[in-house]
Amino acid sequence: AQSVTQPDIHITVSEGASLELRCNYSYGATPYLFWYVQSPGQGLQLLLKYFSGDTLVQGIKGFEAEFKRSQSSFNLRKPSVHWSDAAEYFCAVEGFSGGYNKLIFGAGTRLAVHP
Amino acid sequence: NAGVTQTPKFQVLKTGQSMTLQCAQDMNHNSMYWYRQDPGMGLRLIYYSASEGTTDKGEVPNGYNVSRLNKREFSLRLESAAPSQTSVYFCATEQGSGANVLTFGAGSRLTVL
Repeated sequence: AQSVTQPDIHITVSEGASLELRCNYSYGATPYLFWYVQSPGQGLQLLLKYFSGDTLVQGIKGFEAEFKRSQSSFNLRKPSVHWSDAAEYFCAVEGFSGGYNKLIFGAGTRLAVHP
Repeated sequence: NAGVTQTPKFQVLKTGQSMTLQCAQDMNHNSMYWYRQDPGMGLRLIYYSASEGTTDKGEVPNGYNVSRLNKREFSLRLESAAPSQTSVYFCATEQGSGANVLTFGAGSRLTVL
């Protein structure tokens, strides 16, 4: 069965520091992968997606993610974190289960940013 | 543009009461979804509708019903609320079916006492 694991429930970084959020997936075929961000009290917003091609994808707000098939990973990175990046981040993979395509979400990583 | 609008934003119910969460979109998207979000569990799909007039169960449909009233609106009904249904509910839309780039509403926080 398809699944997504985000090993870090909570991460704290200092403003200006680099960031990497981990995501591992389990999926038999070439996956469609996504990162969404949820600011407090808001719905989820798409940061970036990988469907095919270049394994390093650029997203909004200065984020990027790299697809590594050998490691079944799709880690999210940002070179310099801003206080406004404090939010919860969800990795997701498209999976086919129960007769339909669906997004399977990880449990999320909550990011706190120290000034 | 409003995008995806959910009402109400907050609701408190007593066990056994019924209520309907409303979702409306103005993006002319075909597919609509209802998710619930619980701490440490990410988002889980309750029901989805690939097009007007069709609805299908997701991962956690028990205790819920849905209605795709027209292309714009997709409602989620709790007939007899239970404390286990305390959650934040999100409606989402997708232009096609399978592209899986979702646009989310702001959420509806439901507490069942």
